Amino acid sequence: QVQVVQSGAEVKKPGASVKVSCKASGYIFSDYYIHWVRQAPGQGLEWMGIIRPSGGNTQYSQKFQGRVTMTRDTSTSTVYMELSSLTSEDTAIYFCAREARETYYFDYWGQGTLVTVSS
Amino acid sequence: EIVLTQSPGTLSLSPGERATLSCRASQSVSSSYLVWYQQKPGQAPRLLIYGAFTRATGIPDRFSGSGSGTDFTLTISRLEPEDFAVYHCQQYEHYGNSGYIFGQGTKLEIK
Repeated sequence: QVQVVQSGAEVKKPGASVKVSCKASGYIFSDYYIHWVRQAPGQGLEWMGIIRPSGGNTQYSQKFQGRVTMTRDTSTSTVYMELSSLTSEDTAIYFCAREARETYYFDYWGQGTLVTVSS
Repeated sequence: EIVLTQSPGTLSLSPGERATLSCRASQSVSSSYLVWYQQKPGQAPRLLIYGAFTRATGIPDRFSGSGSGTDFTLTISRLEPEDFAVYHCQQYEHYGNSGYIFGQGTKLEIK
């Protein structure tokens, strides 16, 4: 069955970077896009960007351009999201989510990774 | 940039009642890209409706989506205890630079 499993919670200091992983299984990795969506405490969902595993090309939300990097390792069916120059406003749960090509919705989600930024 | 506004912010109803949740776009959008998710505390969102009307696999038929243009609605015909959650709408901005846009969510709570 389809599974999308994320790495564990992180605590970072302001100015640091965090790298979250998202491992996919149960389907053909290159056939689906992976998105990253975050949710600050008590807030709504916020789209960060997309990576297309087949070619590795990415598209980032303008809000995070220059600060986020999404990569993939096809040998392990894993996608990574690295966010740099962290501030307290980056404290949130980060989700990865799968999109079947050109369907524009997310059918499977990871369990979420809490990133806490605190001095 | 398209903005999605969900209303009400909180909806208090009892099991067995009908729930009507609204998602309004700041400009006309394609119903092909309008999506609804359900999120329970401590969980990831779950896909409910895509293309404004189509239920995702395994979603009960008490959930239905409707609307066009700027106004979209998620209706739950008879609330079950497990339906009390937060509901998010989402739109893909095909011609802009915003990508995937979410509303702020509607919390459906037990009255």
